[in-house]
Order: sequence, then structure tokens, then C-alpha cells
Amino acid sequence: EAGVAQSPRYKIIEKRQSVAFWCNPISGHATLYWYQQILGQGPKLLIQFQNNGVVDDSQLPKDRFSAERLKGVDSTLKIQPAKLEDSAVYLCASSPFGVGRSRETQYFGPGTRLLVL
Amino acid sequence: QQPVQSPQAVILREGEDAVINCSSSKALYSVHWYRQKHGEAPVFLMILLKGGEQKGHEKISASFNEKKQQSSLYLTASQLSYSGTYFCGTEWGNYGQNFVFGPGTRLSVLP
Repeated sequence: EAGVAQSPRYKIIEKRQSVAFWCNPISGHATLYWYQQILGQGPKLLIQFQNNGVVDDSQLPKDRFSAERLKGVDSTLKIQPAKLEDSAVYLCASSPFGVGRSRETQYFGPGTRLLVL
Repeated sequence: QQPVQSPQAVILREGEDAVINCSSSKALYSVHWYRQKHGEAPVFLMILLKGGEQKGHEKISASFNEKKQQSSLYLTASQLSYSGTYFCGTEWGNYGQNFVFGPGTRLSVLP
């Protein structure tokens, strides 16, 4: 079974530029998560989708971050404009089940390392 | 909202035991444990559900004290491969709609 795919793996941009990350979850997984992990910290949940609907985006900085999951499959996370403090690893994860039951195993992708100069 | 993990870091010799603790101020629905090796993605270890059900995939045990909103991860006879950072993730809310990872505990196993 193929795992969670993410691209690009690395990205270097200057502040105020825009950047987009792509995630393709494991086939058939209803739930998709985007996390931000700053060096030395635990992953911070940015947004959770169930199919193509948003379940939780309470920690997403909506003035600069946006995400979509068209057709309930792959997803894109965008930052516009980027700030220095956005430098982090952006992790995508998926799990088989939706809201209404405890989150089951989350399968993480390799992440995208973003450096904002 | 973020759970507290202790210790922040621990160094072991191969074959020794370790306990990592996770505590929350919230009434928890479940506790999840993940391990992340340097430069890699987190990998699932275990879920402990309210009511006592426990699910895991590796020979690592854990407990969940619902009264104290605490969980402990037990690593016995540690192996070199156990090295990494361990994160607990806590769910709370009526149906577990809120989720947050702790800051992590860095475990180093030496030969």
C-alpha cells in the first residue's frame, strides 16, 4: 500500500513570497490533516478535513494560510505571504475514519521542509 | 491545552527501562503515542481510549489514568531502535473533536 505522498520535499523562499504544498493521502482515507512542526516542538494541527469538508481549522492563521481538499482526495496548503516564523516542516497525515469516532492511526507523509529567508 | 510531557529528555543504556509521562488539564477522550526519529515523520505507536481499550502495534505498553488525565508509556528492555522523540497526542471534547500533540520527550538509547 502506498503511503502519504508530499511535495515538494524542500522549499526555500524569501519572506512575503507565496508557497504551496501538495499532499496525496493513502487511498480511501477519509480524513486528512496538515500539521506545522517547528524545530524542537511537537506537530501543531493546522487543519483537518473529512472528505472535502473542514472539520477543524481553529489553529490555521487564516490571514495568510489557506487549504483545500478538492474531491475529497489530495490537498493543497498555501501560505501567502510567508513570514520568517513560517519556517518549519509541514506534515500531512491521513487516517481511515471520519469524525464521530476517536481518531485512529494517523499515517504521516515525509513532510515538506520550508525555509523562509 | 497542550499536554505536559516528562521528562523532556532521557538517556538509557540498551536493555534499560524507561517511562514517559503525559498529563493534561482537559477531560480526555483518548491519548495517542507517536515516535519520531530525526528527520523522519512521526510513526504511530499506540492509542489508549477512554474506558480502558488499548490499541497498539509494537511491544511497548502504556496506561491511561482517566481520573488524573494522565498517560504513561513504558519502554522495557530498550533497544537502540527505540531512540527518537516520543509525542503524546490528546483528544478531548464530547466526541474527541479537539486534538493536540505534546512537546515531546527525547529518548536516546546508547549501546
